[in-house]
Amino acid sequence: DAKTTQPPSMDCAEGRAANLPCNHSTISGNEYVYWYRQIHSQGPQYIIHGLKNNETNEMASLIITEDRKSSTLILPHATLRDTAVYYCIVRVDNYGQNFVFGPGTRLSVLP
Amino acid sequence: SQTIHQWPATLVQPVGSPLSLECTVEGTSNPNLYWYRQAAGRGLQLLFYSVGIGQISSEVPQNLSASRPQDRQFILSSKKLLLSDSGFYLCASGLDIPRSTGELFFGEGSRLTVL
Repeated sequence: DAKTTQPPSMDCAEGRAANLPCNHSTISGNEYVYWYRQIHSQGPQYIIHGLKNNETNEMASLIITEDRKSSTLILPHATLRDTAVYYCIVRVDNYGQNFVFGPGTRLSVLP
Repeated sequence: SQTIHQWPATLVQPVGSPLSLECTVEGTSNPNLYWYRQAAGRGLQLLFYSVGIGQISSEVPQNLSASRPQDRQFILSSKKLLLSDSGFYLCASGLDIPRSTGELFFGEGSRLTVL
């Protein structure tokens, strides 16, 4: 699996958009980009994923660059409850392939 | 969607004692199952994953072992716990694409303290 690089921490003002970057310069053509988040002392929660096109759901938007070497998770209106560690993961769709979580980005939403 | 049950939620054990953490899955069949560990203030470390009954892959050599006696049951064990085994243990379940979107579902975790 391709490795990912994320900033260790970020701050965001409540109500503003939070833009979390992820570099995956060695991503291969059949690898998906997944985003999860982990609120303290809970299991990680799936947010969104994509392959080539930008994606949007009720939680967030995922912007993937045309060369697929980086992506950005956007929380359009961050709330205090969005304070968490955000993980960017790339994985292939092979049978039995495992997920590998890096250190992630600790997002602090400030009042 | 899948529901993951883990127990016990909290466990305090002395060094050298055995361990058994259990995980069961509802809402799907033949899932891929995973055990992760998270030490205090650290990221998630993949310990084991399983693609079927009796099939276990170990990612990190250590004194822990895993078993999958039934399709939706995954057990993490140790014969003799070490202090370094303390942490937050998470069970996860997922299906391969195209059976699903490929996301993982996590349990609520089991917090182990070894004294």
